Amino acid sequence: DIQMTQSPSSLSASVGDRVTITCRSSQSISRYLNWYQQRPGKAPKLLIYAASSLHSGVPSRFSGSGSGTDFALTISSLQPEDFATYYCQQPYTTPHTFGGGTKVELK
Amino acid sequence: QVQLQESGPGLVKPSQTLSLTCTVSGASISTGSYYWSWIRQPAGKGLEWIGRIYTGGSTNYNPSLKSRVTISADTSRNQFSLNLSSVTAADTAVYYCAREDDILPGFHSDALDIWGQGTMVTVSS
Repeated sequence: DIQMTQSPSSLSASVGDRVTITCRSSQSISRYLNWYQQRPGKAPKLLIYAASSLHSGVPSRFSGSGSGTDFALTISSLQPEDFATYYCQQPYTTPHTFGGGTKVELK
Repeated sequence: QVQLQESGPGLVKPSQTLSLTCTVSGASISTGSYYWSWIRQPAGKGLEWIGRIYTGGSTNYNPSLKSRVTISADTSRNQFSLNLSSVTAADTAVYYCAREDDILPGFHSDALDIWGQGTMVTVSS
C-alpha cells in the first residue's frame, strides 16, 4: 500500500493567516492527489483534485501544488469556516489511502 | 443533484456481519463511468478506504479487509451495499458511501466528489 504522511497533525492559526499543510507519499503518485475538508460531525468534502485543480464551488483561497511524492495545500487567508480537519488521498492505486489528517484550530 | 444516503443497523454483535446500503438519488448507478465507494472513520481517527464497485460491476477492496468485505450493487433499487463479516470492536466507526468520479479524464482526476452523510455502526454485545 502507498503510505500518505501529512504534517503537521495539527496547527493553530488566526483568521487571515496563510496556512500550508503538506502531504508526502511513500512512492511517486504523479499528480494523483486529492484534498478533502471535514468539519466536525460532517462528511468530508472534496476541495482539490489532481493535485492542483479546484473543485466546483470551492473558494479560490484554497490552492494545491506538488507532484511525485510531495504535495501541499495552502489556504491564503484563513476564514472562520476553514477551521476543520484536512485529509490528503491518493487515487493512484488501490487501496486509495488517506493521510492521517491535519486539524486546523483557532489560535 | 446527486445524493447518497447510508442506511443499516446501528448496532452489530461481535462475529456477526455488518450490512449497510447506500441509496443513490439523482443519478443511475448503472450508467456513466463511476465507482461507488465505501469509506469508514473510527471516532476521533482518520479515514480508511474500504473498497468500491464500478458501474460495470467490478470491485476493488482494501487488502486489510479483503477477506471479510463484499460490495455489491442492486441496479433495480439504485443501491449499492457493503457487507463486512466477522466484525469486532475495531470495526466500530462511521461508515460513508461516496461516488468516485474521473472529473477531468486524462488529468489524474479520480476523486470522491459526492459523499453520504455517514452512518454510525457500533460493534458490541
